[in-house]
Amino acid sequence: DTGVSQDPRHKITKRGQNVTFRCDPISEHNRLYWYRQTLGQGPEFLTYFQNEAQLEKSRLLSDRFSAERPKGSFSTLEIQRTEQGDSAMYLCASSAGQWGTEAFFGQGTRLTVV
Amino acid sequence: AQSVTQLGSHVSVSEGALVLLRCNYSSSVPPYLFWYVQYPNQGLQLLLKYTTGATLVKGINGFEAEFKKSETSFHLTKPSAHMSDAAEYFCAVSEESGYQKVTFGIGTKLQVIP
Repeated sequence: DTGVSQDPRHKITKRGQNVTFRCDPISEHNRLYWYRQTLGQGPEFLTYFQNEAQLEKSRLLSDRFSAERPKGSFSTLEIQRTEQGDSAMYLCASSAGQWGTEAFFGQGTRLTVV
Repeated sequence: AQSVTQLGSHVSVSEGALVLLRCNYSSSVPPYLFWYVQYPNQGLQLLLKYTTGATLVKGINGFEAEFKKSETSFHLTKPSAHMSDAAEYFCAVSEESGYQKVTFGIGTKLQVIP
């Protein structure tokens, strides 16, 4: 499978715990995006990387959220001190950089904070 | 600011009937417009996109959409619904290049009745 893969697919955590998600983009794609999708809503942009550089962060990305892409390949999204409002599907996408190319989405990580 | 309105959060059609999913957008500049499909427990898949040029855009799986500037609409159609079309469909708009700039609608769940 050469698509975008995300791990884990599902995560249940207690409020206050830290969680980390991983995204492996399509290998030749230099841009990587994180989105959050809550129930009944469309995806909302969180942050994106070009290679290892984090170029933009949404206001949605509070200081409890941090994302990295250390070698310009896979990326991690960490949420510290999780809150019930963090419960959502976290989607990763990657693209080959140029706007005209398609962004391919992973299957997402569904986070439930109890 | 750009925005998208999808009319009808749930649409039901009979197998073989016309599919029409409505999308209206707001944009201060000529927009880029997209339709994505999301199957249960899957990531988003691009159906079609409008950038410039021909206003009738053909996509995958027999779907097409027409950009109507005067009506600020980008409705998605398919002449004959198939059971496999049952999914959630998202309309999206962007005023600038870059997937970090895309705003998604809340989605329309399409049910196909045999």
